[in-house]
Amino acid sequence: GAGVSQSPRYKVAKRGQDVALRCDPISGHVSLFWYQQALGQGPEFLTYFQNEAQLDKSGLPSDRFFAERPEGSVSTLKIQRTQQEDSAVYLCASSLSGGTKETQYFGPGTRLLVL
Amino acid sequence: SQQGEEDPQALSIQEGENATMNCSYKTSINNLQWYRQNSGRGLVHLILIRSNEREKHSGRLRVTLDTSKKSSSLLITASRAADTASYFCVYMNYGGSQGNLIFGKGTKLSVKP
Repeated sequence: GAGVSQSPRYKVAKRGQDVALRCDPISGHVSLFWYQQALGQGPEFLTYFQNEAQLDKSGLPSDRFFAERPEGSVSTLKIQRTQQEDSAVYLCASSLSGGTKETQYFGPGTRLLVL
Repeated sequence: SQQGEEDPQALSIQEGENATMNCSYKTSINNLQWYRQNSGRGLVHLILIRSNEREKHSGRLRVTLDTSKKSSSLLITASRAADTASYFCVYMNYGGSQGNLIFGKGTKLSVKP
């Protein structure tokens, strides 16, 4: 079956440009997570949705980062006025219900390079 | 930081050898997971061990958990070149959202044919 998909796979942006990263979770998965992975590091949590509700955005590094999931399926992570330190791989994951024993299924990520 | 720490940071072995990776974590957990990440298949869940379990097997993988020492190990037996990847010890954060994962920095495993 189809897994989590993300687009674009690669994005090059000039500093100051706005970008939008898309995540299509596995169909029927209630919970959706965004993570940021810097080079040579493990992924770090950004934000979490249960259906359309954003229940936790404590990991978003600044108010330039904004995420939405208006219909409870597809999610978009938007970064305004990109900075060089935003360069990273952005990973999306989904799980069936988000419970503590649920496996999270990850997408291939979007590699963002800010010049 | 709540991140766990994997040890070693990098490991290079020959095909057929066993690979052991260790992880230490800092908080109470209900379960601990190991994930693998390579360029071909991205980040993939390998195995989950619950806090009341001490050892778990899945194919060529063996995971141990010592909650008194807050440590875990992952053993890959009879390694293959396809096992080349980064391996992460992962646990859930209960303080914040219901189930966001906390990753360590990972162990980079290289298996030479």
